[in-house]
Amino acid sequence: DVKVTQSSRYLVKRTGEKVFLECVQDMDHENMFWYRQDPGLGLRLIYFSYDVKMKEKGDIPEGYSVSREKKERFSLILESASTNQTSMYLCASSPHLGGESGANVLTFGAGSRLTVL
Amino acid sequence: DQQVKQNSPSLSVQEGRISILNCDYTNSMFDYFLWYKKYPAEGPTFLISISSIKDKNEDGRFTVFLNKSAKHLSLHIVPSQPGDSAVYFCAAAVASGTYKYIFGTGTRLKVLA
Repeated sequence: DVKVTQSSRYLVKRTGEKVFLECVQDMDHENMFWYRQDPGLGLRLIYFSYDVKMKEKGDIPEGYSVSREKKERFSLILESASTNQTSMYLCASSPHLGGESGANVLTFGAGSRLTVL
Repeated sequence: DQQVKQNSPSLSVQEGRISILNCDYTNSMFDYFLWYKKYPAEGPTFLISISSIKDKNEDGRFTVFLNKSAKHLSLHIVPSQPGDSAVYFCAAAVASGTYKYIFGTGTRLKVLA
């Protein structure tokens, strides 16, 4: 089974703190993604990476950065946490090509619920 | 601008009956669609997908229908079971594109025993 592991299920941080969210996948997938889930807004893409050291901005990258030094690991960094970054953060991975149409099925981790006070 | 819309935030269905969850999209370039189910405090899990070369795909109790002219897809669950109670998200992408999936806002399904 494809497994995507997020290191922290629940975090509580203070405004201004630097926050690291770690994600590791064990299926040699090329693509990795960070989403946040908020009520009424669904899942919104923050950043994604299609290869080691490569990254692309998603729809809401402001206030976030990412790091992908190894294929299996994709980190989300909040340089200075703010209360509006309180959310559920979801990491996902996928192969480059898959499925009958050539598109990718995302496999998600269990999520990291971050509260910023 | 919301490219993928799930206009019903919630839906209640009696056990054994059919659940129909709807999803509309605006971008005609989308050609691959997925449905995910999410329980509280867990990550979304993949349910079923469909590409634009088809108008229907079945997997057990789950069937997805795609109406390209209406830019509409729906997920049918028959028969509905209490364990199906969850939030369902549809997602769309351009299969040969930039790996970016656009998700809808989700529909919370409650199956009543």
